[in-house]
Amino acid sequence: DADVTQTPRNRITKTGKRIMLECSQTKGHDRMYWYRQDPGLGLRLIYYSFDVKDINKGEISDGYSVSRQAQAKFSLSLESAIPNQTALYFCATSDLPGDGYTFGSGTRLTVV
Amino acid sequence: GENVEQHPSTLSVQEGDSAVIKCTYSDSASNYFPWYKQELGKGPQLIIDIRSNVGEKKDQRIAVTLNKTAKHFSLHITETQPEDSAVYFCAAIATAAGNKLTFGGGTRVLVKP
Repeated sequence: DADVTQTPRNRITKTGKRIMLECSQTKGHDRMYWYRQDPGLGLRLIYYSFDVKDINKGEISDGYSVSRQAQAKFSLSLESAIPNQTALYFCATSDLPGDGYTFGSGTRLTVV
Repeated sequence: GENVEQHPSTLSVQEGDSAVIKCTYSDSASNYFPWYKQELGKGPQLIIDIRSNVGEKKDQRIAVTLNKTAKHFSLHITETQPEDSAVYFCAAIATAAGNKLTFGGGTRVLVKP
């Protein structure tokens, strides 16, 4: 099994719908992150969590919310999806600040 | 906060040639610099990293160099192969701040057979 698992892998949803993207990890890491990647652009941080009780906004948090249900689970929600939220979403984990991140395989979200 | 700039945004090389990607960072406290490779349809994967107490690190055909004074670091790929075609990201973090990585904008590398 993958260290960082994202579900679903692909999703098409309609404008205005609420959608949840899920991330689970078996690395035992405390730190988890949600990134968004648009075509031709880099990785932009949406939210991050350094432990179960810690949630922080990233650079593009508007229109998104997160839930850290357990050390191993970090979910991203779009409360009311809009077409410009169509993108590739990645979850990542890390242990200490000086360690590299482990990324999931991504969720391709299309909002129509 | 930290700002990381990455150049070029696209790079096309002939198979067997070398490829170099350069990044600059703004926070002089940054001391950990990883590089990620993202293949089509996959998440980014860590391929090499360097810490501020060394100037160069090699792993087979890839190497990373760091110039702390100039605040820039580079990825070098020698003897490029078609499987090196991917998007590459640099990143930086000041670990003492306990914060998070700041990523560069990415470089799309195409190795032509």
